[in-house]
Amino acid sequence: DIQMTQSPSSLSATVGDRITITCRASQRIANSLAWFQHIPGKAPKALIYVASSLRGGVPSRFSGSGYGTDFTLTISGLQPEDFATYYCLQYNSFPYTFGQGTKLEIK
Amino acid sequence: QVHLQESGPGLVKPSETLSLTCAVSGVSLTSYSWSWVRQPPGKGLQWIGVIHYSGTTTYDPSLKSRATISVDTSNNQLSLRLNSVTAADTAVYFCAKDAGLESWGQGALVTVSS
Repeated sequence: DIQMTQSPSSLSATVGDRITITCRASQRIANSLAWFQHIPGKAPKALIYVASSLRGGVPSRFSGSGYGTDFTLTISGLQPEDFATYYCLQYNSFPYTFGQGTKLEIK
Repeated sequence: QVHLQESGPGLVKPSETLSLTCAVSGVSLTSYSWSWVRQPPGKGLQWIGVIHYSGTTTYDPSLKSRATISVDTSNNQLSLRLNSVTAADTAVYFCAKDAGLESWGQGALVTVSS
């Protein structure tokens, strides 16, 4: 199985900040990488697919980059509704695997 | 706009079978692949499996062949069955559209306990 190592596991930030979350794959996955936002009690929300393409309706302050084994999710200009847990997912090969999650909290 | 809603018994006894359904509206089941994901309490997301639009299925091998995903096209519903459950299967279970998990339901909590 491909292991996805996500960091940091938690992050404190302020409204307006720019933050970056990283995911590293244990083997090359091309650009088969997605990012999700999850607020407890709500449906997880797909943000990015193929590493850098924004899903419809996702604000442009979210961006993704990377190829191969190293990937990043950046949020530029944090908004109050962005405080949530973020997960990466590799879908290059089965079984698909998630990163451990990054909990983004208000400082 | 696609909407997914999971439902099922909130409590299942150890060694029994967990059965969940996912009602899908806004899109035909036959046009896409469909996935299940779960989140144990206090833990991250775990991929369970996918039913491809062709009808074939792929599962996480760690479930040791206990999982079955199927579709009921007459009711536009997706189903998950997980047999021989233990406390480790206690989780919120989510259904999601497509192998890329484009849209998700809100999830259904299933507790395995006697």
